[in-house]
Amino acid sequence: KNEVEQSPQNLTAQEGEFITINCSYSVGISALHWLQQHPGGGIVSLFMLSSGKKKHGRLIATINIQEKHSSLHITASHPRDSAVYICAVRRGQGNLIFGKGTKLSVKP
Amino acid sequence: GAGVSQSPRYKVAKRGQDVALRCDPISGHVSLFWYQQALGQGPEFLTYFQNEAQLDKSGLPSDRFFAERPEGSVSTLKIQRTQQEDSAVYLCASSAEGQLYNSPLHFGNGTRLTVT
Repeated sequence: KNEVEQSPQNLTAQEGEFITINCSYSVGISALHWLQQHPGGGIVSLFMLSSGKKKHGRLIATINIQEKHSSLHITASHPRDSAVYICAVRRGQGNLIFGKGTKLSVKP
Repeated sequence: GAGVSQSPRYKVAKRGQDVALRCDPISGHVSLFWYQQALGQGPEFLTYFQNEAQLDKSGLPSDRFFAERPEGSVSTLKIQRTQQEDSAVYLCASSAEGQLYNSPLHFGNGTRLTVT
């Protein structure tokens, strides 16, 4: 079993829809990162969470430490949000453990 | 700019050639990570430095892969006797590190290595 599981693997939405991507992990962590990668592009850090909730524009990230679960929400989705969204966890001073990513496609 | 810089951006190597990939992290960043990303896959961990110390190299796929960060800033990932399966994007990331190791990550644009 992977230490970081994301769902869904693929997601297609219509422009304007509310989107949720989930991440569950099975290890103790010091931080959880949500990352965005456009096709052929580099990786951009969206959020780094150790508790609670963060919001940036139309993006919201939440984490429940007790349940070892995090969600990334996109409100009023737009075709430019189409990308792969990756959840990654950090264990203390150790390396990052990546999920396999969720490929999001937002249709106009 | 002040971001993580990787060079070269693209590298084509003939099978059996040695290559060296460079990562310039953000100045002052303590942690530096190398990842390998095959086409259509998520990043896979290769190795991790804290300053000049290589704390984890468990992800290096074979002894043909070697990484160093001698002065705790610039890092080089070297691949000897390249094979076709080494073709991938090699990503570098750095982090300033807070006391709880929960600082944001900054990624470079990667080096796309193609072995022919």
